[in-house]
Amino acid sequence: EVQLVESGGGLVKPGGSLRLSCAASGFTFSTYSMSWVRQAPGKGLEWVSSISSSSTYIYYADSVKGRFTISRDDAQNSLSLQMNSLRAEDTAVYYCARGRETSHFGLLIILGIFDLWGQGTMVTVSS
Amino acid sequence: DIQMTQSPSTLSASVGDRVTITCRASQSTSTSLAWYQQKPGTAPKLLIYKASSLESGVPSRFSGSGSGTEFTLTISSLQPDDFATYYCQQYNTYPWTFGQGTKVEIK
Repeated sequence: EVQLVESGGGLVKPGGSLRLSCAASGFTFSTYSMSWVRQAPGKGLEWVSSISSSSTYIYYADSVKGRFTISRDDAQNSLSLQMNSLRAEDTAVYYCARGRETSHFGLLIILGIFDLWGQGTMVTVSS
Repeated sequence: DIQMTQSPSTLSASVGDRVTITCRASQSTSTSLAWYQQKPGTAPKLLIYKASSLESGVPSRFSGSGSGTEFTLTISSLQPDDFATYYCQQYNTYPWTFGQGTKVEIK
């Protein structure tokens, strides 16, 4: 079955750290870009970070830059998000999402088309 | 950052109605625009990409149009399974941004 399964969420104090994981199965993980998208309780969707196939390109939202680190392990078909210096405003459901890529004049381009999502994992930052 | 504004924020409609949701971008996103459907407690689902391309497996009653700064999602005949929140998203420029969502409710 083609799926993404997140884990690692929980309750953490402000300033603390948490590492989210996303296990992929049923497709060739190494050929897709991967992203994290979050949704605060009762709010809309916010893109957090993306990583291209082969980890060639990595992008972050300004709101998490310098605090969060995205990585992938193609041998293990897994995606991770290391979250440090957590703030109350980081409280959200975190989704991992599969994205598409294309090539333009030999340049790899990540397309922000999220065609497969995990079920999400809740992160609560509170004292 | 490119701001995405959806209208209306809430829409009340009946089964069988034709429904149109508008998404406006604060600057051109070409046709790098996607639409997602989200039901309570579940992950979003991709409906449309590249402004008007229907994702595989999505019913043909869903369609998208537009380019530049104005886009629409149309449901030609609303079905009971379509009551949900819909989001547009631009992927032309980082940071990729979403609209605030349009909730389609039962009238």
